[in-house]
Amino acid sequence: GQQLNQSPQSMFIQEGEDVSMNCTSSSIFNTWLWYKQDPGEGPVLLIALYKAGELTSNGRLTAQFGITRKDSFLNISASIPSDVGIYFCAGHAGGTSYGKLTFGQGTILTVHP
Amino acid sequence: EAQVTQNPRYLITVTGKKLTVTCSQNMNHEYMSWYRQDPGLGLRQIYYSMNVEVTDKGDVPEGYKVSRKEKRNFPLILESPSPNQTSLYFCASSFGTSGHNEQFFGPGTRLTVL
Repeated sequence: GQQLNQSPQSMFIQEGEDVSMNCTSSSIFNTWLWYKQDPGEGPVLLIALYKAGELTSNGRLTAQFGITRKDSFLNISASIPSDVGIYFCAGHAGGTSYGKLTFGQGTILTVHP
Repeated sequence: EAQVTQNPRYLITVTGKKLTVTCSQNMNHEYMSWYRQDPGLGLRQIYYSMNVEVTDKGDVPEGYKVSRKEKRNFPLILESPSPNQTSLYFCASSFGTSGHNEQFFGPGTRLTVL
């Protein structure tokens, strides 16, 4: 199946710092999604990107759909303790993979007060 | 309250003993999907369903079965569980048929196969 490489695998930061993470793919995606998983819960959608080059914000979060359609980035500004969790990128290719959604390995974020 | 429910939340079983994990959603969503989450591997899609009686394999379907007889339910069946199926399982649903819209996830089922 399609592979998504998400980096970094983990981050330890101080409250107030900015955070950047990214996902790259060996193949093209038509949709990029970013989810966050809080401890003991299922993932929740943060941002959806549907067009190459698209830059979308949700509060302190900003995500971009790469021009090549093979990558995406998520930035968190001025981190706070409740940003702790696992962040996943996910890609949807469409076409013959119409119903498939591929997730990255996740970035574990720890924020020190 | 709009939600996806899974049962059981925790299950410890033995190799070879058939089990079913139920999933139900009350949002009238067409699309439903099962994932397993393992450390360092993220979420991997097992099976998905784009509508009633329409199911297809995800990336890791071996050892699993699903059915979609009603829109709201999408059970995951392990006919003969093995220890490598020990994992955290999530069911999800979304409107539309492709899965690229927002997926709402259930609370998860932690399965241990001895």
